[in-house]
Amino acid sequence: GAVVSQHPSRVICKSGTSVKIECRSLDFQATTMFWYRQFPKQSLMLMATSNEGSKATYEQGVEKDKFLINHASLTLSTLTVTSAHPEDSSFYICSARAEADTEAFFGQGTRLTVV
Amino acid sequence: GDSVTQMEGPVTLSEEAFLTINCTYTATGYPSLFWYVQYPGEGLQLLLKATKADDKGSNKGFEATYRKETTSFHLEKGSVQVSDSAVYFCAFVDTGRRALTFGSGTRLQVQP
Repeated sequence: GAVVSQHPSRVICKSGTSVKIECRSLDFQATTMFWYRQFPKQSLMLMATSNEGSKATYEQGVEKDKFLINHASLTLSTLTVTSAHPEDSSFYICSARAEADTEAFFGQGTRLTVV
Repeated sequence: GDSVTQMEGPVTLSEEAFLTINCTYTATGYPSLFWYVQYPGEGLQLLLKATKADDKGSNKGFEATYRKETTSFHLEKGSVQVSDSAVYFCAFVDTGRRALTFGSGTRLQVQP
């Protein structure tokens, strides 16, 4: 299947700082990318959906000013956690899809720890 | 609202044992159902899927049947191997939505 690369795989940051997570589709053009968050022993929760060149659509309860999503090209989307706090510590996973009704491919995930 | 419930892990089995991981869903439309697998250090990979009632998805010896009457999509394998050790996620995409709704994942540990 197609490859989606997510970077970094792990990051530790200080409270109050910002962290950027990258999601790249390596061998296809991703018109849509999804960002999920997973707390321990819980489901992957959809945070937002982004289409290339458009503003992201955030799920209810997700702060758009805190979780900045940019999808500036067909192969790259970024999630920036601004002014991170310990409660933002979680596992973040991106997913990319070429077209509607096609398979979505997942990145390896990023473990964020805010200290 | 939409949700997926799957059995908690970890599930620990000996090699060649029979595997069942239960999954039930709550959806408003006519969802397509999926099982994803995540091996250590890797991203989620699609394992199998079923798009309508009574469909059976199968791959790598794993099977799951779309049971609309019980809103279930249980994952089974007749004889597990050590290499099957991973986290398994049940998921669906509902009519009109584009993103998947996931269960919490079940970790499978297969011992030699």
